Amino acid sequence: QEKVQQSPESLIVPEGAMSSLNCTFSNSASQSIWWYQQHPGKGPEALISIFSNGNKKEGRLTVYLNRASLHVSLHIRDSQPSDSAVYLCAVGGGSALGRLHFGAGTQLIVIP
Amino acid sequence: GGIITQTPKFLIGQEGQKLTLKCQQNFNHDTMYWYRQDSGKGLRLIYYSITENDLQKGDLSEGYDASREKKSSFSLTVTSAQKNEMAVFLCASSGTANSDYTFGSGTRLLVI
Repeated sequence: QEKVQQSPESLIVPEGAMSSLNCTFSNSASQSIWWYQQHPGKGPEALISIFSNGNKKEGRLTVYLNRASLHVSLHIRDSQPSDSAVYLCAVGGGSALGRLHFGAGTQLIVIP
Repeated sequence: GGIITQTPKFLIGQEGQKLTLKCQQNFNHDTMYWYRQDSGKGLRLIYYSITENDLQKGDLSEGYDASREKKSSFSLTVTSAQKNEMAVFLCASSGTANSDYTFGSGTRLLVI
């Protein structure tokens, strides 16, 4: 079964700083990596995905995937207080059709 | 745009009681999922369904039943509520393999 580990558990950064979140997974055959954002009392919302080795940039978000080391990271440039949320890493496609395996999440707090 | 609706938002039950949670989506998505979210443990898959009347067990199916009588709806039953089951139950749907999930806002279960 796919194992997804996230670090750190929590991260506090000042407004305007770069936030860096990490995720490792166990199955090199996994086809897709997703990052979700979850605000209190809400369901997770998909932020960005990556399927190929390398990096992908969307606005203030950059994702880096290294399949050899089974590692993916999410970087949020110019972090804003509204970015404060739980970030979930999800990995899928290596086994059951469409099923995503989720990590425990990183709590990001951006201080004004 | 579509929406995925979970009812009720809050559910209070007594230990040993049978409790049912409901989920409706209007995306016309084929696959639907039920996850349980406990603090610090991430999302754990209870049941999923790839089409109407299909049911597949997840990692945490013991103590739960599910039903997919229509493509648009997926219900979850806690067969005998236990006090250690206080958690948030999240419903999600997806259109194709490796596509992102759309989540509902969750049902918060409290067992007294």
